[in-house]
Amino acid sequence: AQTVTQSQPEMSVQEAETVTLSCTYDTSENNYYLFWYKQPPSRQMILVIRQEAYKQQNATENRFSVNFQKAAKSFSLKISDSQLGDTAMYFCAFSQWVAGNNRKLIWGLGTSLAVNP
Amino acid sequence: ETGVTQSPTHLIKTRGQQVTLRCSSQSGHNTVSWYQQALGQGPQFIFQYYREEENGRGNFPPRFSGLQFPNYSSELNVNALELDDSALYLCASSIGVAGFQETQYFGPGTRLLVL
Repeated sequence: AQTVTQSQPEMSVQEAETVTLSCTYDTSENNYYLFWYKQPPSRQMILVIRQEAYKQQNATENRFSVNFQKAAKSFSLKISDSQLGDTAMYFCAFSQWVAGNNRKLIWGLGTSLAVNP
Repeated sequence: ETGVTQSPTHLIKTRGQQVTLRCSSQSGHNTVSWYQQALGQGPQFIFQYYREEENGRGNFPPRFSGLQFPNYSSELNVNALELDDSALYLCASSIGVAGFQETQYFGPGTRLLVL
């Protein structure tokens, strides 16, 4: 079975500092996608960043970047210059084939991040 | 561009009742996936609809059923509600198969409480 593990249930960081959230996954697929989503108290799941496994270059989106280690099946999220609005639950997710070209998401349990002023 | 919308935002039901949750997909998206998120957990895949057909199902009993309409909006129906069905129900839309696009975009969710 394919699984996603987030080993840090809670983390905190001071405003303007950098924090790294960890994620490992297990799969027998060779081509797949990985995602980080954030879920603030408003509950809406918001895409932060995505990585395609066949791309060696790590994805970046403004202050958010990933460290993708395919052989180690590791996919960590780095948040630079943390802002109060980054306070949220962060979920790592792996996309698994459903049928045809469509996929479903397999999720970790999440990391609750608090950014302190 | 209109995002994913869900209705209602909150719902309270009693055990044994039936409920219907609704989702409107993002413009141009033909695939809708439903997830159940229990308190303190990550979402769990319920099923996915592509062009009005069920396209995959997670480990949920048959009393969880769905529909997708020609405009790609979708419904999730749950019969014979149980206390453990209390959760946040998330709908996500994406582009499937031809014009394949990997990313799923989520609605704000429906919070269901079963008493």
